[in-house]
Amino acid sequence: DIVMTQSPDSLAVSLGERAAINCKSSQSVLYSSNNKNYLAWYQQKPGQPPKLLIYWASTRESGVPDRFTGSGSGTDFTLTISSLQAEDVAVYYCQQYYNTPRTFGQGTKVEIK
Amino acid sequence: QVQLVESGGGVVQPGRSLRLSCAASGFTFNSYGMHWVRQAPGKGLEWVAAIWYDGSNKYYADSVKGRFTISRDNSKNTLFLQMNSLRAEDTAVYYCATEGIVAASALDYWGQGTLVTVSS
Repeated sequence: DIVMTQSPDSLAVSLGERAAINCKSSQSVLYSSNNKNYLAWYQQKPGQPPKLLIYWASTRESGVPDRFTGSGSGTDFTLTISSLQAEDVAVYYCQQYYNTPRTFGQGTKVEIK
Repeated sequence: QVQLVESGGGVVQPGRSLRLSCAASGFTFNSYGMHWVRQAPGKGLEWVAAIWYDGSNKYYADSVKGRFTISRDNSKNTLFLQMNSLRAEDTAVYYCATEGIVAASALDYWGQGTLVTVSS
C-alpha cells in the first residue's frame, strides 16, 4: 500500500498570510505513460463531507478560488493557500489514486492565528 | 446537479450486519465508478471500497475485506455497502463518492454521509 504522510498535523496562520501543507507518498504516484501525478487534495470543514479542491496534483477543481495551488511531482507535493481567509479554516487531506487502496494522508488542520 | 444521499446507518451490535445505500441523481450513474469512504469520530478519512461503473470489478481495504461487499444497481441508480461481522472499530460516518465525473479519477462528489455505530 502507498502510505501518504502529511506535515504538519496542524498549523495556525494569520489572516492574509500564506499556508503550506506538505504531502509525501511512500512511492511515486507519477504515471510515466501520461506524465500525470495521481494525487488529489480535499478540504473538509466541520460537520461537512470532504470537498475536492485539486486533482492531478495541480489542477484546480471548478469554482475553487485561485488562492489554492497544488504543486509537486513524484513523491512530494504541496498545497498552498496564498492568502488565508476565514472560510479556509478546515482539515485538508491529500489522497493518491495511483492504485488501490486509495490511501489518504492523516489530515492537516488549518486554523487562524 | 449531482446528488448523493446515503441511508441505512444506525446503531448495531458487534457481529451483526447492516446494509448502506447511496441514491444517486444528476448524472449518468452507470458510467462512473463509485467509492465508499469512512471517517471514525474525530479521525481522518479512510477509503473503504470501490466498484467499477458496470460492477465488474470491486476493490476493498484490508480492514474490511471478507466482511464488506460493495455492489450497485444501475437500473435504480443506487450504490450499496453490505457490512457483515461488524466490529466496534467500524463505527464511523460512511460517505459515498463518485469517481471522475469532472476530475479524472479523483473523488469529485460526496454525499453527506450516514453514521454507523457498532456498540453493545
